[in-house]
Amino acid sequence: GQQVMQIPQYQHVQEGEDFTTYCNSSTTLSNIQWYKQRPGGHPVFLIQLVKSGEVKKQKRLTFQFGEAKKNSSLHITATQTTDVGTYFCAGVSLYGQNFVFGPGTRLSVLP
Amino acid sequence: GAGVSQTPSNKVTEKGKYVELRCDPISGHTALYWYRQSLGQGPEFLIYFQGTGAADDSGLPNDRFFAVRPEGSVSTLKIQRTERGDSAVYLCASSLAGVSGELFFGEGSRLTVL
Repeated sequence: GQQVMQIPQYQHVQEGEDFTTYCNSSTTLSNIQWYKQRPGGHPVFLIQLVKSGEVKKQKRLTFQFGEAKKNSSLHITATQTTDVGTYFCAGVSLYGQNFVFGPGTRLSVLP
Repeated sequence: GAGVSQTPSNKVTEKGKYVELRCDPISGHTALYWYRQSLGQGPEFLIYFQGTGAADDSGLPNDRFFAVRPEGSVSTLKIQRTERGDSAVYLCASSLAGVSGELFFGEGSRLTVL
């Protein structure tokens, strides 16, 4: 079945440093979504990418969808302590009906 | 309601007991998903409803797990003969547009099987 991997598993950065997490799917995706989960909270939707090579920006966050629609990345510029949490990608395969979540990248930001 | 509501928020039970977890989705959302999340892991898909019917139940781990959504709104996840390995946070999410739209998650039901 479809598998979604993310690297790194953990990332510790100093406040103001950049952060990137990478997501790879074993199958071609129809779309990919990114979620953020704060400690003790539930996943909250950030963005959806649909088109091959798509790039979307939300303030300091930049999301990319690979040309082959099998990988994606999330880049945060100049991290802040409010960015702390676990970032998950969730992909839908071409004929799938559900979201397969990656294991997440846990971000810690040191003030 | 304003968001996805899940009850109970916490459930402690003994091995072998029966458990029901309830999810009340956002009004008007026809798609409803159940996931479970173990500590340090990503949400693991269990079942997806479109309206009243289970469109995809391929994630249910075995026949001890069952879910219903009889009127296309509230859903109940039922676990029979609970095992310690069932301990996890069970997350419910609803969506206006199935896999084309964002998932709105509830706060989850934390199940602990002793």
